[in-house]
Amino acid sequence: EAQVTQNPRYLITVTGKKLTVTCSQNMNHEYMSWYRQDPGLGLRQIYYSMNVEVTDKGDVPEGYKVSRKEKRNFPLILESPSPNQTSLYFCASRPGTGAYEQYFGPGTRLTVT
Amino acid sequence: AQSVAQPEDQVNVAEGNPLTVKCTYSVSGNPYLFWYVQYPNRGLQFLLKYITGDNLVKGSYGFEAEFNKSQTSFHLKKPSALVSDSALYFCAVRPDTGGFKTIFGAGTRLFVKA
Repeated sequence: EAQVTQNPRYLITVTGKKLTVTCSQNMNHEYMSWYRQDPGLGLRQIYYSMNVEVTDKGDVPEGYKVSRKEKRNFPLILESPSPNQTSLYFCASRPGTGAYEQYFGPGTRLTVT
Repeated sequence: AQSVAQPEDQVNVAEGNPLTVKCTYSVSGNPYLFWYVQYPNRGLQFLLKYITGDNLVKGSYGFEAEFNKSQTSFHLKKPSALVSDSALYFCAVRPDTGGFKTIFGAGTRLFVKA
């Protein structure tokens, strides 16, 4: 089944404790992206990647890091999480350039205390 | 600045009645336009998109959307709402500049009453 998977689905952590949220897609998509969803703000793009070793900042990259060492994986790293990073995070992928829709993962609900 | 507006936080309709969820955008050029739906505890699912051509596009689950270039709008419609259509709907716009940035609206919650 074609899908985007994320782990963990739920995470409660404390301020400053480094964490990684994994994202993997099995559709051989070139493009992957991370979003955060906050009430009243919709989805805001954090980082995106056009292909292996090619990443760029979205609208809200502060406090986040990403890497794309393999085409299928695009982990999101919070090196020193803060409470304002409490949010619902989504990973998405699509084939590449062109008017393709995105395929979304199930989401990761992160709480930073 | 580029932006997408969904002016209604919530839309309430009775089952069997037509529904409209509004979206307007401020993006230069001829962007690609999308609608996604989010059910509780799920990721977003693609409904439909407009690239070019006919201003009325049809998508999944009986939804359609009307593109209006002069008003820079892309409203989601359905002739007869179902209770199961109750969900959160997002309009998204991607500039046609060849990049990968996508701008989402804040979302509109649709509530269909039986």
